[in-house]
Amino acid sequence: SQTIHQWPATLVQPVGSPLSLECTVEGTSNPNLYWYRQAAGRGLQLLFYSVGIGQISSEVPQNLSASRPQDRQFILSSKKLLLSDSGFYLCAWVDDTSGYTFGSGTRLTVV
Amino acid sequence: AQKVTQAQTEISVVEKEDVTLDCVYETRDTTYYLFWYKQPPSGELVFLIRRNSFDEQNEISGRYSWNFQKSTSSFNFTITASQVVDSAVYFCALSEGNTGANSKLTFGKGITLSVRP
Repeated sequence: SQTIHQWPATLVQPVGSPLSLECTVEGTSNPNLYWYRQAAGRGLQLLFYSVGIGQISSEVPQNLSASRPQDRQFILSSKKLLLSDSGFYLCAWVDDTSGYTFGSGTRLTVV
Repeated sequence: AQKVTQAQTEISVVEKEDVTLDCVYETRDTTYYLFWYKQPPSGELVFLIRRNSFDEQNEISGRYSWNFQKSTSSFNFTITASQVVDSAVYFCALSEGNTGANSKLTFGKGITLSVRP
């Protein structure tokens, strides 16, 4: 069966520190992968999506970047975190049955 | 550009009441998908339903039902005989075109539902 793993579950980082969030999927090949962010009290905003290894599309200009070094791995990074980067980050992939499947999320607090 | 509006921000009901969560969408595409997701306090998004733009038949799944009306661009969600476990944030979302490479989801801002015992 297809599963999606996302870690860490929670993270507290100081302003200016780097960030690396990892997402991996199992049970599928060449998935379309997505990173969404949910700011406090707001809906989900698409940050990046990838249709294959090394292919990244950015939806909004920001302090973050994404990479896809392997078919089933999607990484969200930042060189220097800002307070405004705080939020709940969700990785997702798409299948033909139900559409999106989301990971369990990472709650990032920048202090 | 596509847009999803969930005008209700917070709803509070007493257990066993019926509650309807509204969703209005905007899109220029004739082919699109509509979704509802539930986000319990733990944070993960739980898929509830996907409906394509060519299927206006209403759907019922247990205590959940969905009313899709293209004429009013609405995809409303009703919970019958609500329970405390239904307390969560509910998101309506839209994707244009086929569920494939460019199927980006646009989410509404969510509705916080509180069901009191």
